[in-house]
Amino acid sequence: DVKVTQSSRYLVKRTGEKVFLECVQDMDHENMFWYRQDPGLGLRLIYFSYDVKMKEKGDIPEGYSVSREKKERFSLILESASTNQTSMYLCASIGGSYEKLFFGSGTQLSVL
Amino acid sequence: GQQVMQIPQYQHVQEGEDFTTYCNSSTTLSNIQWYKQRPGGHPVFLIQLVKSGEVKKQKRLTFQFGEAKKNSSLHITATQTTDVGTYFCAGINHKDDKIIFGKGTRLHILP
Repeated sequence: DVKVTQSSRYLVKRTGEKVFLECVQDMDHENMFWYRQDPGLGLRLIYFSYDVKMKEKGDIPEGYSVSREKKERFSLILESASTNQTSMYLCASIGGSYEKLFFGSGTQLSVL
Repeated sequence: GQQVMQIPQYQHVQEGEDFTTYCNSSTTLSNIQWYKQRPGGHPVFLIQLVKSGEVKKQKRLTFQFGEAKKNSSLHITATQTTDVGTYFCAGINHKDDKIIFGKGTRLHILP
């Protein structure tokens, strides 16, 4: 069964901490995405990557960075967490033919 | 930048009634996809539409892609309690490979 795995389901961090959200897919997909989901705002694209070491900004990249050192792993980094980054973070991957997105189960991040 | 507007934001229907959600893109799309997210879950792929004017059906669900490839709709006939959740459309533009989601329509079924 195909899988996108996010390292944590729930995470609590303090303001100013550096936060790493990890995502791993086992489908050999080229493209990976990070979204954040907030009530009433839907899914907003933070960053995406279409190849190893490649990254592109989405619609809300401010305050975030990403890393894609290996094809199967796409990490989202909050350099200095702030309370307005409290959200559900969803990782997704899709093959080169863009047939369908597979989502991870999400990480609910709370920044106190 | 590219935007995908989705309405309504919420919909309450009696069980057995029909339901429709609409998406409209600010730009012409390459494809459009639809996803369903159950409460507490993550979005799960339902279908992809590629061709102008395309109509696809999955049991009680009917999906349409507009002639100009800028709008789409999902219609559910005779809703059931299992249809509860949030339905998202996602527009894909192969010029920049972004997948942009609408804000979703949360469907609530009244028994």
